[in-house]
Amino acid sequence: NAGVTQTPKFQVLKTGQSMTLQCAQDMNHEYMSWYRQDPGMGLRLIHYSVGAGITDQGEVPNGYNVSRSTTEDFPLRLLSAAPSQTSVYFCASSYEHGLSGNTIYFGEGSWLTVV
Amino acid sequence: SQELEQSPQSLIVQEGKNLTINCTSSKTLYGLYWYKQKYGEGLIFLMMLQKGGEEKSHEKITAKLDEKKQQSSLHITASQPSHAGIYLCGADRGGNTGKLIFGQGTTLQVKP
Repeated sequence: NAGVTQTPKFQVLKTGQSMTLQCAQDMNHEYMSWYRQDPGMGLRLIHYSVGAGITDQGEVPNGYNVSRSTTEDFPLRLLSAAPSQTSVYFCASSYEHGLSGNTIYFGEGSWLTVV
Repeated sequence: SQELEQSPQSLIVQEGKNLTINCTSSKTLYGLYWYKQKYGEGLIFLMMLQKGGEEKSHEKITAKLDEKKQQSSLHITASQPSHAGIYLCGADRGGNTGKLIFGQGTTLQVKP
């Protein structure tokens, strides 16, 4: 049981390049989400998914795309990287949330620098 | 302004001292999560609180959610260098979607 796995751990991109951050979980979780962490701002939600085929926007979705073709995978795509997207990205997953109060698991993070 | 406000933003304590970190919301919290993060690493789940007045403890860390479910506190007793890191509170706003809103974090340093 690997939990939530993110790749790559570190990436440097040039402005305008595109790339995909991968996220996979092996816990059969329905809920998956992507956050970015910037100094002094905590974590902010980019996109989230409540199940395969269903995605929605979070607080800061501009410049990012997601898809959820399988329960296990939730990739985050940067369409045309900008320096403002330099950040640490975290993927998270959980079972049914809310009333059941299940733990939300986070990946180890992906450090992205856009130059 | 942040929907979740953490205080203090940073804290330096002497090893062995007790400390408290607060997380305050202007809206009702349906669920409140506490995570710890070491610099350059991922988030480690500490505790999750749902019910007003609920209190949970793990080793030397105790978290409480007030009766009105708008404030939570994290208390560390007899701090150790291993407690150093960034503490983040995350709130479930309801809607059963697995989304969390986070506070800006509290950086804790423990001096030996």
